[in-house]
Amino acid sequence: GENVEQHPSTLSVQEGDSAVIKCTYSDSASNYFPWYKQELGKRPQLIIDIRSNVGEKKDQRIAVTLNKTAKHFSLHITETQPEDSAVYFCAAPNYGGSQGNLIFGKGTKLSVKP
Amino acid sequence: EAGVAQSPRYKIIEKRQSVAFWCNPISGHATLYWYQQILGQGPKLLIQFQNNGVVDDSQLPKDRFSAERLKGVDSTLKIQPAKLEDSAVYLCASSFSGANVLTFGAGSRLTVL
Repeated sequence: GENVEQHPSTLSVQEGDSAVIKCTYSDSASNYFPWYKQELGKRPQLIIDIRSNVGEKKDQRIAVTLNKTAKHFSLHITETQPEDSAVYFCAAPNYGGSQGNLIFGKGTKLSVKP
Repeated sequence: EAGVAQSPRYKIIEKRQSVAFWCNPISGHATLYWYQQILGQGPKLLIQFQNNGVVDDSQLPKDRFSAERLKGVDSTLKIQPAKLEDSAVYLCASSFSGANVLTFGAGSRLTVL
């Protein structure tokens, strides 16, 4: 099955700065990479995802980049706000491709200081 | 659209006791997942159902955990007997068949004393 590594485990930034979280995966056949945000005591919620036919995807202040050659993908948050404070998880398909269940990284706790 | 429903939200039991969690997925979602999330970690898959059939239960500790989805809609996850290390949030998620955009429920938080 897939193996997903996520870094850093904690990240603290000042409001307005950018934040970058990186993940690596092991199965070169994987081609779907979502990011989930989990606020304290709440459910994980999908915030953005990318499929391997594109290298970058943006949605307002968040973007995801994918490097299939290096087998890594990153989440970029610009102009961070206190409400961005949460734990962020990357994930990849457990058995490659774009179907089936997901393997999650261990999470990055992002703190945005006002 | 209604979300993924789970109950109970919280459960406290003593070790060696049993517990059951219930999940009702989003209407029309054929695929249902149970994940275990230990404090400070990412969700870990326990079992995946497609309609009422098991697709993947390779990470399910079958000596103590069981799950069923008899009519292909709602599902029950049971732990018997519980151990201290089973303390976690049990997340149910669902997705359309063949897709892996997961929608999670609010989770059931289990504390084993």
